[in-house]
Amino acid sequence: EAGVAQSPRYKIIEKRQSVAFWCNPISGHATLYWYQQILGQGPKLLIQFQNNGVVDDSQLPKDRFSAERLKGVDSTLKIQPAKLEDSAVYLCASSLGHSETYEQYFGPGTRLTVT
Amino acid sequence: AQSVTQPDIHITVSEGASLELRCNYSYGATPYLFWYVQSPGQGLQLLLKYFSGDTLVQGIKGFEAEFKRSQSSFNLRKPSVHWSDAAEYFCAVGAAAAGNKLTFGGGTRVLVKP
Repeated sequence: EAGVAQSPRYKIIEKRQSVAFWCNPISGHATLYWYQQILGQGPKLLIQFQNNGVVDDSQLPKDRFSAERLKGVDSTLKIQPAKLEDSAVYLCASSLGHSETYEQYFGPGTRLTVT
Repeated sequence: AQSVTQPDIHITVSEGASLELRCNYSYGATPYLFWYVQSPGQGLQLLLKYFSGDTLVQGIKGFEAEFKRSQSSFNLRKPSVHWSDAAEYFCAVGAAAAGNKLTFGGGTRVLVKP
């Protein structure tokens, strides 16, 4: 089966510009996650969707970050305007459901560099 | 709130030698514990997980981990490492009450010497 797809794989932007990342989860997976992984740190959950509804966005900087999952399949994560500290790898993951017994499958990530 | 500490940032091990990676967690209830591996430019891959039952769990690629409640630890081991095991390893704790939300440790980078 196809894994979690993400694009682009790399992005370089200047501060104050906007950027968007796209994620296509594994077919049939109801739950989708966006993580931010800063260099040298573990991933940090930004937002979790169950179908097209938000389950947890407590760590999403809502003044500049937004995410949507229209139709409960693909998802986009946007940053506007970007700051230097947003430089990180953005990982998308999906699972069958939001129970802890369901494994999360991760995409390859998008590496963002803000200059 | 849950938290995870991986005390070792880097570990260098010779090929064929044993490997142990430490993980300590903090969580008020029964934790769900995971080990993931991340190779350069790749996403995270699940090595093994602990939910309940036998405290020694077997995973893929010859890895195992032992849950010790008294020490709040979930250390990862491999008896004999291969050059392909060079990667970054992350321990994570999940909370049933938090809808499968994972909290990750800072990671341990493993270098394998020939």
